[in-house]
This record gives sequence, structure tokens and C-alpha cells, in this order.
Amino acid sequence: DQQVKQNSPSLSVQEGRISILNCDYTNSMFDYFLWYKKYPAEGPTFLISISSIKDKNEDGRFTVFLNKSAKHLSLHIVPSQPGDSAVYFCAASAMRVRGANNLFFGTGTRLTVIP
Amino acid sequence: GAGVSQSPSNKVTEKGKDVELRCDPISGHTALYWYRQSLGQGLEFLIYFQGNSAPDKSGLPSDRFSAERTGGSVSTLTIQRTQQEDSAVYLCATRRGVTSGRVKNIQYFGAGTRLSVL
Repeated sequence: DQQVKQNSPSLSVQEGRISILNCDYTNSMFDYFLWYKKYPAEGPTFLISISSIKDKNEDGRFTVFLNKSAKHLSLHIVPSQPGDSAVYFCAASAMRVRGANNLFFGTGTRLTVIP
Repeated sequence: GAGVSQSPSNKVTEKGKDVELRCDPISGHTALYWYRQSLGQGLEFLIYFQGNSAPDKSGLPSDRFSAERTGGSVSTLTIQRTQQEDSAVYLCATRRGVTSGRVKNIQYFGAGTRLSVL
């Protein structure tokens, strides 16, 4: 049962424009959310995160928005650059729950930024 | 090294053989996770270590899979009698400590071991 879903397997955006990657989750216990970026033959690299007590977190060109009522988060990249072309994974965890705090991942969205 | 190191980077084996995958964590990171990514799938949790103990093994798909960690550092994931469905990228991730209000659940990943079972 996929608790974190990324319904768009791919996205193409023109350089300089905004990229919006979407993610939905089903488990209401999730309270910490992360975005990872993955290049071919490399491991996922942490990009940005957000706690459920916030609805927005910004770091340079990257902003993550969280809508708890809709169980939806999105990653905005502005302006998009060719070097942003990669697979982006959304991940979630339930930090309040004692246990492994393992991350639950979506299936990823492949972003292509066209020069 | 500065990051999580995994070896080998690629492993091709014959069905029925045993394989061992190694993970060297970031120095000082007490939490260690194994995940795997099968083709077209997201990352799937396998096992979690805190120090040398594994309080959560719930993600291991069968008793052919086992893992250990020694000295609170290096971890080895062993797959016995490999099957073709074991083919995947096996990723190791580590985190500084137990999550709390100060320690967020940011996990740092190695480049993975691509396992191909023929």
C-alpha cells in the first residue's frame, strides 16, 4: 500500500520557468516531509524538508508547501535550471511515533529542464 | 570519508548464490537504514539499526535477508539463495541520532549497490 504518492512520473519545464512537483500522502500520522533529488548512478540527496507545524519552507530557489487538510505537498523550483534535471522523490515520516522513523517514499518524478 | 560509502557499486550474481552488501556510514551517525529500489518503484524500507541493535526489521521481505552492524559503524546486508526478484538497487542511509525536536529525520544516502540476479 503506497502511503506516499507522486502521480506524475515526469515533468518537462523550460529553463527559467517554475517547476512544480506534487506529492500526496495518506497517513495522517506523518509529520515530517522531505524532498530528495537523485541523479543517475548516485544516491538520493537531501534537498529540503518541512515539519507539519509549518505550511511553507523556503531555501533559495526551492520552496516546499504543505497542505495538511488535503494531505498534499509540493516543491516549487524557481527559476528552473538545466542542472535541476533529475528524479525528485517525496518522502514522509512519523516522528511522533516511537520506532524506526524510516522514510516512506513516493515513486519519484523525473524533471527535465529544457535549455 | 565524508559521506555514506557502499560497496560494491555493482554486483552480478547467479540465482541461488549468496551476496553481501556493505555500508560504511558517516562518522558519528548512530542510526543506519537499508532501503531497496526495484525498477519503477519508490524506495522500500528494509531494516533500521540504532547503534548495533536492529529494533525494526519489519521491512525484510523474507528470511533469506539478514543484516548486522558491528562497532556501531559498518553494516552488512546479506541475501542468501538469491532470486531474480531480489534484483534492485540497495541503498544505505544514515542519520546523526535518535529523532527529537532538535534532531530531524534527515537521512543521508550512499550511492547504492545495483544487484542483478541472473
